[in-house]
Amino acid sequence: SQQGEEDPQALSIQEGENATMNCSYKTSINNLQWYRQNSGRGLVHLILIRSNEREKHSGRLRVTLDTSKKSSSLLITASRAADTASYFCATPSAMGQGGKLIFGQGTELSVKP
Amino acid sequence: GAVVSQHPSWVICKSGTSVKIECRSLDFQATTMFWYRQFPKQSLMLMATSNEGSKATYEQGVEKDKFLINHASLTLSTLTVTSAHPEDSSFYICSVTSGQETQYFGPGTRLLVL
Repeated sequence: SQQGEEDPQALSIQEGENATMNCSYKTSINNLQWYRQNSGRGLVHLILIRSNEREKHSGRLRVTLDTSKKSSSLLITASRAADTASYFCATPSAMGQGGKLIFGQGTELSVKP
Repeated sequence: GAVVSQHPSWVICKSGTSVKIECRSLDFQATTMFWYRQFPKQSLMLMATSNEGSKATYEQGVEKDKFLINHASLTLSTLTVTSAHPEDSSFYICSVTSGQETQYFGPGTRLLVL
């Protein structure tokens, strides 16, 4: 079953604006990951944040993790048309079996030039 | 990260035929590979976990006799959709991991069953 829920389901912004996506999960985790998927393609790993971290940066990406609220957010600053994609959060399965991940429903981001 | 390829990238077949999809880890010895299915506008649904040299572990609701997985080497896993039907039409994606947290995904295979 899908553990992660994301909102919004779809987000449309203008180039240069910031985009924020949220992810909530249900069970305790030791890390949370964000992936990006361009239309009709596989997923690309963006960033991993561990349960003892509250915030992490990678280029124009900023990820936060609030384990007390079981939620995470992905912020893309100064968005570009090339950022148009679906973004998924992923958490280890509850059983922690050999690297299995549970993916959220995803946020479809559209950045208009 | 690891480079993963899938072949074919897309396939159209008639109902009742079998289709084999290959997933190759090009620069990485993958002890574990995962197979996912994704319907339009939806998230990835894990189908099975494939461990090199052993039988795959299927998720609940996935028919092991319909979706045959073989992981004969550290660089190759195959998914065979047997007796495909239109409802099997989907986007199939594999990923590899060495047991660490991150997964590296193939580009996906789009299957259309007529």
